[in-house]
Amino acid sequence: AQTVTQSQPEMSVQEAETVTLSCTYDTSESDYYLFWYKQPPSRQMILVIRQEAYKQQNATENRFSVNFQKAAKSFSLKISDSQLGDAAMYFCAYRRAGNNAGNMLTFGGGTRLMVKP
Amino acid sequence: NAGVTQTPKFQVLKTGQSMTLQCAQDMNHNSMYWYRQDPGMGLRLIYYSASEGTTDKGEVPNGYNVSRLNKREFSLRLESAAPSQTSVYFCASSFTGGKEKLFFGSGTQLSVL
Repeated sequence: AQTVTQSQPEMSVQEAETVTLSCTYDTSESDYYLFWYKQPPSRQMILVIRQEAYKQQNATENRFSVNFQKAAKSFSLKISDSQLGDAAMYFCAYRRAGNNAGNMLTFGGGTRLMVKP
Repeated sequence: NAGVTQTPKFQVLKTGQSMTLQCAQDMNHNSMYWYRQDPGMGLRLIYYSASEGTTDKGEVPNGYNVSRLNKREFSLRLESAAPSQTSVYFCASSFTGGKEKLFFGSGTQLSVL
């Protein structure tokens, strides 16, 4: 079974600074997808960024980028120019590739990010 | 465009009571999921339905039953609620395929006293 581990329960960053959230995962698959989801106090789950394991290039979405290290099974999220609205829980998640029935998403335990003004 | 709609948003039950959480999506997704989120933790899969007419257990299925009523609707039933089932419940849906994004409902806060 796949497992996803987020070793930082809480992180803090100063507004406008950069912060990196860590994630490691365990899988025997060679093809898969990795995701970062944001959960603000509203509880809504918002997709931040997605990485395809067969792509060497790290995904970027505006101020959000990842450092994907496939051999190390590491998938960190970097937030640049942090804003107050970035304060939330962040979840790393894993999903097998392919069109197999029931491709469920496996989540890590989350990192609470606080942004200081 | 409503997306994934869950009802109710809040519910308080007494131990032993039963209830059904409703979920509907209007995006023509094949797959639907029920997750629970305990305080300070990530989401854990309870049950999923890969397609209409099929359901399968996830990581934490004990104490729950599900019904995939049609392609749009996927309900979660607690037959005899226990305090350990106090949690936030999320329904999600997606097209089939690993790259596909999951769309989540806004969650149901359930308290079992």
